[in-house]
Amino acid sequence: EAGVTQSPRYAVLQEGQAVSFWCDPISGHDTLYWYQQPRDQGPQLLVYFRDEAVIDNSQLPSDRFSAVRPKGTNSTLKIQSAKQGDTATYLCASSPPSYEQYFGPGTRLTVL
Amino acid sequence: GDQVEQSPSALSLHEGTGSALRCNFTTTMRAVQWFQQNSRGSLINLFYLASGTKENGRLKSTFNSKESYSTLHIRDAQLEDSGTYFCAAGDTGYQNFYFGKGTSLTVIP
Repeated sequence: EAGVTQSPRYAVLQEGQAVSFWCDPISGHDTLYWYQQPRDQGPQLLVYFRDEAVIDNSQLPSDRFSAVRPKGTNSTLKIQSAKQGDTATYLCASSPPSYEQYFGPGTRLTVL
Repeated sequence: GDQVEQSPSALSLHEGTGSALRCNFTTTMRAVQWFQQNSRGSLINLFYLASGTKENGRLKSTFNSKESYSTLHIRDAQLEDSGTYFCAAGDTGYQNFYFGKGTSLTVIP
């Protein structure tokens, strides 16, 4: 069974640039999560979906971050006008109805 | 405030020894997961528990929802056990998991 895949693995931007991250969850997993993990900290939930519906996006900085999962499968997280404080690893996870989460390898973002 | 308090924040073990990591919860949690984050940053699933105790090789985990804590025991530590260990606890809605700040484990030859 293929795991959660993410791309790109690395991204380096100047402040003010935009970037998109892509996640392909494990087949059959209805729930998909995006986390932000700053260096030397634990993952912090940004948003999660059940199928195509957003369940909780209260921690998503809505003025610059957006996330979609239009068909209830793949998902895209986008940052408009990146800031240095956005430097972190962005992790995608998915879970089946039994709720155990499985993580992808992450995208390591550096904003200069 | 933080719903999940993880301790210790750092730990050094000599090969062959063991120790316990702990997570305390400030609200009622319904399930807990333990992960190891390796040097490449990948989060590896260790355990998922809704109650009781599970064991896998040299690792054992317990979750006590009533007393609001979970533990991860490592015995006969090996060099490859080095990394950061996170617990993540699920609230009453089950699908929102809160992470602790992690325990950085170094196994010394």
